[in-house]
Amino acid sequence: EPEVTQTPSHQVTQMGQEVILRCVPISNHLYFYWYRQILGQKVEFLVSFYNNEISEKSEIFDDQFSVERPDGSNFTLKIRSTKLEDSAMYFCASRDRNIPGDSPLHFGNGTRLTVT
Amino acid sequence: GQQVMQIPQYQHVQEGEDFTTYCNSSTTLSNIQWYKQRPGGHPVFLIQLVKSGEVKKQKRLTFQFGEAKKNSSLHITATQTTDVGTYFCAGHHTNAGKSTFGDGTTLTVKP
Repeated sequence: EPEVTQTPSHQVTQMGQEVILRCVPISNHLYFYWYRQILGQKVEFLVSFYNNEISEKSEIFDDQFSVERPDGSNFTLKIRSTKLEDSAMYFCASRDRNIPGDSPLHFGNGTRLTVT
Repeated sequence: GQQVMQIPQYQHVQEGEDFTTYCNSSTTLSNIQWYKQRPGGHPVFLIQLVKSGEVKKQKRLTFQFGEAKKNSSLHITATQTTDVGTYFCAGHHTNAGKSTFGDGTTLTVKP
């Protein structure tokens, strides 16, 4: 079964550094998402992306965050200047349509970001 | 904003006991999905409910969607140790691009 892949599985960075989290969504999917989960807490929406542009973003997704689909397969999340509170598991997800009667979100295994 | 509340936060049961988690939205949903996240894993889709009053079953799991499409429940009959994990509901609001996740209910099962 096709799956969403994320790299790296774990990223350790110093406060103030830039990080790029990478995702390869399922190939025929149209909608891409980043969610994050602070340890032991809920899954929080960050941003959705469709047709090469952001379709929706949350309050968490401030100017420090950006997303890009640089080619036909990769979907990246960049954090420009990491803060301690950015430490979390970041999940990429994709779905093949986005209408009422929605399709499931397919999640990757996540990237655990640790900011020291 | 759109909020989805879920209770309880934790549930500890003896193997064989039943388990229920409840989900409530502040606004009417177009659909609701349920996901299971095993410890250390990622959320995995279980089921989607779309119609008012809908009930769906998957073996020992029963999912319900309320008549007003603002609440939902997941009931597990006769829990097994393989049921451990965190169960999340995710509500989809019409015209919204995202799914809003509930806080999750973490189930532990004592053998």
